[in-house]
Amino acid sequence: GESVGLHLPTLSVQEGDNSIINCAYSNSASDYFIWYKQESGKGPQFIIDIRSNMDKRQGQRVTVLLNKTVKHLSLQIAATQPGDSAVYFCAEKGRGATNKLIFGTGTLLAVQP
Amino acid sequence: KAGVTQTPRYLIKTRGQQVTLSCSPISGHRSVSWYQQTPGQGLQFLFEYFSETQRNKGNFPGRFSGRQFSNSRSEMNVSTLELGDSALYLCASSFTGVGEKLFFGSGTQLSVL
Repeated sequence: GESVGLHLPTLSVQEGDNSIINCAYSNSASDYFIWYKQESGKGPQFIIDIRSNMDKRQGQRVTVLLNKTVKHLSLQIAATQPGDSAVYFCAEKGRGATNKLIFGTGTLLAVQP
Repeated sequence: KAGVTQTPRYLIKTRGQQVTLSCSPISGHRSVSWYQQTPGQGLQFLFEYFSETQRNKGNFPGRFSGRQFSNSRSEMNVSTLELGDSALYLCASSFTGVGEKLFFGSGTQLSVL
């Protein structure tokens, strides 16, 4: 398979703090990137996306940063809340007429009240 | 608008059996993708369908197959089940499936005994 998920990094933050989740992607030709949130027992939920012609995009309490030079993606969550506790995945899409996504290993965000 | 619906939610099978999983995409969505999620390998792409045609296929053995119907609903089949096929199988849909956000269902949890 193309996704390696042997270890799940954990980020522990205090409620109200800002969280930054990082992701390294593999294909310099990827042109579309997405962040998903997955809670226990549920499927991945779309958070925010960004295309390769952008380096920053903001949503409600979330910001995605894309650094194509070092193939790095980050998700910033402002004023983190207990409801933000979940596993966060980044995903990349290669060029071409496909929507096949390659997912990262995921990061567990634990918000302490 | 209803989300992506997957049935059944849970399934228990024994080695050697076959299984069929069903997915109903969001109304109006014509692209359906399937992913396998396991603790060890993470989220891995199985296949992608658009307008009843398989557009892309992941690195899985031929025991894994799928199809899409004219109403965009999709099924995937796994024949001759192995213990390693135990996983959460996720279906995702999008309008056309190229460079668009995927909306995931809650998945079918398959256990092979």
